[in-house]
Amino acid sequence: LAKTTQPISMDSYEGQEVNITCSHNNIATNDYITWYQQFPSQGPRFIIQGYKTKVTNEVASLFIPADRKSSTLSLPRVSLSDTAVYYCLVGDYMDSSYKLIFGSGTRLLVRP
Amino acid sequence: DAGVTQSPTHLIKTRGQHVTLRCSPISGHKSVSWYQQVLGQGPQFIFQYYEKEERGRGNFPDRFSARQFPNYSSELNVNALLLGDSALYLCASSLERKAFFGQGTRLTVV
Repeated sequence: LAKTTQPISMDSYEGQEVNITCSHNNIATNDYITWYQQFPSQGPRFIIQGYKTKVTNEVASLFIPADRKSSTLSLPRVSLSDTAVYYCLVGDYMDSSYKLIFGSGTRLLVRP
Repeated sequence: DAGVTQSPTHLIKTRGQHVTLRCSPISGHKSVSWYQQVLGQGPQFIFQYYEKEERGRGNFPDRFSARQFPNYSSELNVNALLLGDSALYLCASSLERKAFFGQGTRLTVV
């Protein structure tokens, strides 16, 4: 059973900022929060990962409040090519015991 | 740098047959995981191997098996194929809490 809850779908327009929130009320102390993007018939692509506060890379930002019971993936100025399914996952991903539990994800549709 | 590579990309098999799917991880990655993704759902964990040992198994029947070789590549085997085994099979290698997926093998069982 997935340990996260996220919206089933979201719509946006090109150039807008998109924020996808994920709830993980039972996150454990050692758990990290990771987001993946998946296009149809392709493998998921790692977007961003964080433990607390804010993480930013060239693609997205991840905001994590102090209680860590939720997180928000922020995609600045989306384009049509950002239409995809976005998965939020939490876990203690040690190389020796690496298991990803995917939920149904959020289907983001970016319109012209 | 080469990413995770999987072969074949597409495969059609008949019910009852056996299939072997192959995966080469990113160089330096010792952990390989396998996932099954049916249409409209998120990937489901099948196996994880680390240093050639099975470290995790998902809720899949014994018809599913896997192994990891000394060069860290991996094979997923499925026996006695059923129509319900039709799916995208994904391989991921991981390092330092980040997983990188291959393009997958699309298996169709007819």
